[in-house]
Amino acid sequence: DTAVSQTPKYLVTQMGNDKSIKCEQNLGHDTMYWYKQDSKKFLKIMFSYNNKELIINETVPNRFSPKSPDKAHLNLHINSLELGDSAVYFCASSQVQISILGGLRTDTQYFGPGTRLTVL
Amino acid sequence: DAKTTQPNSMESNEEEPVHLPCNHSTISGTDYIHWYRQLPSQGPEYVIHGLTSNVNNRMASLAIAEDRKSSTLILHRATLRDAAVYYCILRDVIAGNQFYFGTGTSLTVIP
Repeated sequence: DTAVSQTPKYLVTQMGNDKSIKCEQNLGHDTMYWYKQDSKKFLKIMFSYNNKELIINETVPNRFSPKSPDKAHLNLHINSLELGDSAVYFCASSQVQISILGGLRTDTQYFGPGTRLTVL
Repeated sequence: DAKTTQPNSMESNEEEPVHLPCNHSTISGTDYIHWYRQLPSQGPEYVIHGLTSNVNNRMASLAIAEDRKSSTLILHRATLRDAAVYYCILRDVIAGNQFYFGTGTSLTVIP
């Protein structure tokens, strides 16, 4: 079973259009993320979201908005697409794990297969 | 975000051990050291993580320096499938920082 899935795998669209990418995780995790990987392969976080808090990377244009209908889904909506939005977008999820070592916590992220967005 | 420094690329012969270094001189006491890798045309995948002690799992071993300012990911027998970009990441959940992937090390495995 796929842990983190994304649809579509490929998305080709014209400048100015509005599009959405869907993400679903079946791991029962409480936090989900969106990352953007540009043509230089640099992977950069865009959002992290759980049922309490949305954290937005300040460099992300407000044309991008995450929508979470429920805990297992975090969709990415993009308005007025631009050429520079062309990239591979990865969804991820994680669950904080409590360590027995002094109560410190960490998490492991599970990534989806990515959506290659091409804006013409 | 605490930053890491890795070599841009490394090569290894198939079936030989590979030691991938990472420097993190500004690591804080609550930073965990995580390693992820990204195979071609795939999303990143978790490899291993540790805090102070060396760690082993089915994929790799993680050796952490005593002062925690550096670490080494060890692949005991490189296979062609291990060719990927390997990222060393510091993660402090308490501080709420995000995963910062950096440029990673591109590992080439030579048959």
